[in-house]
Amino acid sequence: DAGITQSPRHKVTETGTPVTLRCHQTENHRYMYWYRQDPGHGLRLIHYSYGVKDTDKGEVSDGYSVSRSKTEDFLLTLESATSSQTSVYFCAISEFGQVVGEQFFGPGTRLTVL
Amino acid sequence: QKEVEQDPGPLSVPEGAIVSLNCTYSNSAFQYFMWYRQYSRKGPELLMYTYSSGNKEDGRFTAQVDKSSKYISLFIRDSQPSDSATYLCAMSAGGTSYGKLTFGQGTILTVHP
Repeated sequence: DAGITQSPRHKVTETGTPVTLRCHQTENHRYMYWYRQDPGHGLRLIHYSYGVKDTDKGEVSDGYSVSRSKTEDFLLTLESATSSQTSVYFCAISEFGQVVGEQFFGPGTRLTVL
Repeated sequence: QKEVEQDPGPLSVPEGAIVSLNCTYSNSAFQYFMWYRQYSRKGPELLMYTYSSGNKEDGRFTAQVDKSSKYISLFIRDSQPSDSATYLCAMSAGGTSYGKLTFGQGTILTVHP
């Protein structure tokens, strides 16, 4: 596996609480991504980063924010979790100049919002 | 209507069968076409990659792209139980959209001995 870790791997929380998921890479890749995966929807891009402090919105960014203060870390925050944000969250990385469309995925975080 | 449509299956086949997985898409800007494989409770991994139209073969796997029909396929020959996984098609326009992938819903494949 590419050097990508996600923490926590599992989390159960209550509606209205803030949640932060962490993605850490040791590959020094420039691009980092957060996806959510739900039955019937495949993977949907939430936010991505193309460098330290450079981020942009994806397809389903409402209710999520991100930060990237170091190359190796990309944080996803749910400011006030809702039950619709129950999902499996994947972090991915890629490097410009490699195969377009090749992303390396982390092991995922299973989040349940009660 | 989703930009990328993929039949979610599930698809169950006997060992040794030829498997055909398909996606259709609506965005004519897509130029890069990928197939990712995802084992249960794991992250996806890139299986096949094709640029523009044409065929690409890698062992038992063949990827086909028909841009005129906005249709892509993945064929698996002599399928094995180890091929049991979810297969996701993904597409990108490249250029200024570098890194932004649009995925299909994924097809769950089971190959039984």
